Amino acid sequence: QKEVEQDPGPLSVPEGAIVSLNCTYSNSAFQYFMWYRQYSRKGPELLMYTYSSGNKEDGRFTAQVDKSSKYISLFIRDSQPSDSATYLCAMSNSGGSNYKLTFGKGTLLTVNP
Amino acid sequence: DAGVTQSPTHLIKTRGQHVTLRCSPISGHKSVSWYQQVLGQGPQFIFQYYEKEERGRGNFPDRFSARQFPNYSSELNVNALLLGDSALYLCASSLTGITEAFFGQGTRLTVV
Repeated sequence: QKEVEQDPGPLSVPEGAIVSLNCTYSNSAFQYFMWYRQYSRKGPELLMYTYSSGNKEDGRFTAQVDKSSKYISLFIRDSQPSDSATYLCAMSNSGGSNYKLTFGKGTLLTVNP
Repeated sequence: DAGVTQSPTHLIKTRGQHVTLRCSPISGHKSVSWYQQVLGQGPQFIFQYYEKEERGRGNFPDRFSARQFPNYSSELNVNALLLGDSALYLCASSLTGITEAFFGQGTRLTVV
C-alpha cells in the first residue's frame, strides 16, 4: 500500500463548478499537509499549508484535514479555466524524519469554459 | 523577490555521462531539497540539506549526490546516467526544512 493515495483522474468540470480533490494516507505520523498546483512542464506551486486536523480557507480554496480518517481534501469554488492543472497533495511527519514531503500522484483537472 | 531558481532548464545527456544541476533558494532560506518527478507521478524525495549538512536521503542509488554551499545554493550530481534517470528534477527551498517548501521550475533531464 502506498503511503499516499490520490485518484489521478482526469477530472473535467464546467466553469463555475465546485471542485473536490482528495487524498488518503496510511502513515499516522503525518502532521503537515499541503496542496500544490502544477501546470504542465512547470514546478509545483504551493496553494495551501495546514498543520494537523481542521479547515483552512484562502480565497476560493478550502483545505480540510481529517486525521481520524486519514483523509484530506481541497475544495475549489467558482472554478476557472485558469485552474486547469495537476493538483498534488503532499504530507510530512512531525519529528525526526520531517525533512521530506511524500506526494500523491496528482489529479489532472480541466475546467471547461 | 526572486523565487527558487534552477539551471539549466533543459538538458540532454547520453547514457553513462555525468550531470550537475544547480539551485538557488529563496533569499533567507537555509534548507534545500531535491526531488525527482517522472511523467505521471508525484515528486520523489532525493535529498535535503540544511545549513550545509545533509539532513535526509531518499531511496536513490549512490550515483546521486548533492551538496550545499555557504551561500545556501545547492547542486545535484548524477553519475553514470541511465535512461531511467530521465525526469523533471525539482529543487525546493524552505526557511528551516520543516516549514512550507517552495519549488523552482525544475530541470528537465533527458537521457538518450
